[in-house]
Amino acid sequence: AQKVTQAQTEISVVEKEDVTLDCVYETRDTTYYLFWYKQPPSGELVFLIRRNSFDEQNEISGRYSWNFQKSTSSFNFTITASQVVDSAVYFCALTSSWDNYGQNFVFGPGTRLSVLP
Amino acid sequence: KAGVTQTPRYLIKTRGQQVTLSCSPISGHRSVSWYQQTPGQGLQFLFEYFSETQRNKGNFPGRFSGRQFSNSRSEMNVSTLELGDSALYLCASSLEQGKRTDTQYFGPGTRLTVL
Repeated sequence: AQKVTQAQTEISVVEKEDVTLDCVYETRDTTYYLFWYKQPPSGELVFLIRRNSFDEQNEISGRYSWNFQKSTSSFNFTITASQVVDSAVYFCALTSSWDNYGQNFVFGPGTRLSVLP
Repeated sequence: KAGVTQTPRYLIKTRGQQVTLSCSPISGHRSVSWYQQTPGQGLQFLFEYFSETQRNKGNFPGRFSGRQFSNSRSEMNVSTLELGDSALYLCASSLEQGKRTDTQYFGPGTRLTVL
């Protein structure tokens, strides 16, 4: 069975602080994909990043960076110099390719980030 | 390209009624998935359609059903509504391959309130 855990339910930071959102996953598959989505108050999930299990290289995109570590089954997300517009619920998700057939994302419970001015 | 669109955005129904929600995927996407989001249960997978066929189904009662049309547009139907069906229903589409590894792109959702 696949599972995604986001232990942080809510985080509050002051603008310009750095913040890291944790994601721990469980899967028996050797090939899998991890995702981060952002859900602002409008409700739409916005795709942020996708990473496959064979690529442990960290990635930086502007103020966002991701740290993928297979050894600890973690895929953490850091926002540098946070801004009020970053306030949203962030979801980590997992899917595998064991049969490469059909979609069935497993989402974590989400972390609500509040960035205060 | 236009994103995933869902109609209506908001809906209020009473217990026992039925409801139909609509989703238009991104042009060229053939896979459409539906999710239910509630504060208590989070995001839960309902079902997925590809080329007009349901390929996967989550753990929901038979009151929840869906279909996909030849133009990849999808509808989901909930019959005999219960108070617990109040939720945000999200539709997602993915690339034409419809593989498990595809990135899903989500619509804005339909917020259903059952009174």
